[in-house]
Amino acid sequence: DTGVSQDPRHKITKRGQNVTFRCDPISEHNRLYWYRQTLGQGPEFLTYFQNEAQLEKSRLLSDRFSAERPKGSFSTLEIQRTEQGDSAMYLCASSDELNLYGYTFGSGTRLTVV
Amino acid sequence: QKEVEQNSGPLSVPEGAIASLNCTYSDRGSQSFFWYRQYSGKSPELIMSIYSNGDKEDGRFTAQLNKASQYVSLLIRDSQPSDSATYLCAVRSRALTFGSGTRLQVQP
Repeated sequence: DTGVSQDPRHKITKRGQNVTFRCDPISEHNRLYWYRQTLGQGPEFLTYFQNEAQLEKSRLLSDRFSAERPKGSFSTLEIQRTEQGDSAMYLCASSDELNLYGYTFGSGTRLTVV
Repeated sequence: QKEVEQNSGPLSVPEGAIASLNCTYSDRGSQSFFWYRQYSGKSPELIMSIYSNGDKEDGRFTAQLNKASQYVSLLIRDSQPSDSATYLCAVRSRALTFGSGTRLQVQP
């Protein structure tokens, strides 16, 4: 197992377009998390899944954002009608249920909205 | 009040010195505490976790937790230029909540 994988690494899109990111967690991990990070800030929680169930969503997650984890394995994060303020690094992380060892993060997807 | 607060720095220390990084948190019910290191343009990587009051040592790193004061710290002994990075404190309520990070610069 090579850790948490995210695709794509970089995405440049025009304002108003939809984008979708993919995350493949560590296979033994049943929890998967999405975070967003902007320059000079720590990662900001967006949502998390236990298996296929989405257990929590941040108040910051507008209706334009949706996440799925249909089979409890990989997850997708979609942003509809992108805005310049959506430009950020989108980080995916996974952990086991007890979260004894913290989260393992993927390399992230850097989104630039022009 | 932010849930997890850190001094943004930069904290500048000479090579070989001890770097001391601090973090306070607001949720008294938090049980798990983590320190992550993040190099510029990279994702966070876990360096220490601590769950009980007191000190926990791992190589050159020591994490300290004081739940009564809602305070977590990280000491880096014999600091090296390769330790120059942003250090993120994270506290687990349900999902991890991160501070904004402290930028550490180790001067050769």
